[in-house]
Amino acid sequence: KQEVTQIPAALSVPEGENLVLNCSFTDSAIYNLQWFRQDPGKGLTSLLLIQSSQREQTSGRLNASLDKSSGRSTLYIAASQPGDSATYLCAVRANYGQNFVFGPGTRLSVLP
Amino acid sequence: DAGITQSPRHKVTETGTPVTLRCHQTENHRYMYWYRQDPGHGLRLIHYSYGVKDTDKGEVSDGYSVSRSKTEDFLLTLESATSSQTSVYFCAISQTNTEAFFGQGTRLTVV
Repeated sequence: KQEVTQIPAALSVPEGENLVLNCSFTDSAIYNLQWFRQDPGKGLTSLLLIQSSQREQTSGRLNASLDKSSGRSTLYIAASQPGDSATYLCAVRANYGQNFVFGPGTRLSVLP
Repeated sequence: DAGITQSPRHKVTETGTPVTLRCHQTENHRYMYWYRQDPGHGLRLIHYSYGVKDTDKGEVSDGYSVSRSKTEDFLLTLESATSSQTSVYFCAISQTNTEAFFGQGTRLTVV
């Protein structure tokens, strides 16, 4: 059974810092991995999708990497801003059933 | 934003009553999913659909049923609501091997 963990569970940083969020998964047989952000009381917003054949994806100040063999992904946020404050979730898509398995999330607070 | 609409957005119901949540998409995506989100448990898959009339169970399917009679609609039914089904329910859509898009959620309270 696929299990996804995220470290740290919570993170508080001053504005302007670069930061890294970590995601680990137990079964490397995945189609892709997706990073989401969730604001309180809201739905999930897709940030980045990395296919299993890719090593990284970039969107603006966000960069996500994938090391499938070791079961790890990182989300790098450059020059953090208070508007980045949210919960960040990673999800892996299994190559059976096309379902998504989510990690518990990292709650990020960026202080002005 | 992907065209996903969940209804209702909020609902309070009594224990033992049936409840149906609706997910409607305008993207013609093949896959549709129902998740529930609870503190301490994160997002867990209830049921999913891989085509019209094709559905399968997720990890927390007990007490829930689904139907998909059209590509655009995926219904989640709680046959007899219990307090343990108080949660936030999210619908998601996807094509094969592409990114998933989520609806805004339905907050259900069973009293």
